[in-house]
Amino acid sequence: AQSVAQPEDQVNVAEGNPLTVKCTYSVSGNPYLFWYVQYPNRGLQFLLKYITGDNLVKGSYGFEAEFNKSQTSFHLKKPSALVSDSALYFCAVRDGRGSTLGRLYFGRGTQLTVWP
Amino acid sequence: EAGVTQSPTHLIKTRGQQATLRCSPISGHTSVYWYQQALGLGLQFLLWYDEGEERNRGNFPPRFSGRQFPNYSSELNVNALELEDSALYLCASSRTPNYGYTFGSGTRLTVV
Repeated sequence: AQSVAQPEDQVNVAEGNPLTVKCTYSVSGNPYLFWYVQYPNRGLQFLLKYITGDNLVKGSYGFEAEFNKSQTSFHLKKPSALVSDSALYFCAVRDGRGSTLGRLYFGRGTQLTVWP
Repeated sequence: EAGVTQSPTHLIKTRGQQATLRCSPISGHTSVYWYQQALGLGLQFLLWYDEGEERNRGNFPPRFSGRQFPNYSSELNVNALELEDSALYLCASSRTPNYGYTFGSGTRLTVV
């Protein structure tokens, strides 16, 4: 079965400091991994994805994520946080096999707050 | 290019009524997905349509149904509305199932 865990409901960080939002996953086959961000009363915006290749993926707005197969993790990172990064972040995984083809499994989300 | 568009933005219905939500995917995208985002429950997968066919369905009762039209737009119907159906309904599209999704801004359904 496929699943995603985001162990922290909330992450608080000071502006200018590095931030990390954690994600671990479980999938039968090779994982396709995604990060999305949601601002209040809005849909989800795509940040970045890992399909194959380099374990460090760079995405939108200065975010990056590191795929670690042995730890089944895909943590989202940014070297220097901005107040405008404050939002709800979702990690998602897809397994390309079988009847769940196409379906993304989402974590419960992590609320990031960056304070000035 | 235009993004995924959903209508209406907000919808208020009375318990027992029917709601119809609409979604237009990005041009060239053939797959449409529906998710429910209820308070405290995260994103729950509802339905996946591809090339006009229902490909996968989440763990929702049959009163949640939908369809995809020849132009790849989609409609989600919720019959016999219950208070617990109040949520943000998100539609997403992708070029093929191998790609990630692009989401619309959602329809906020309130059942009173």
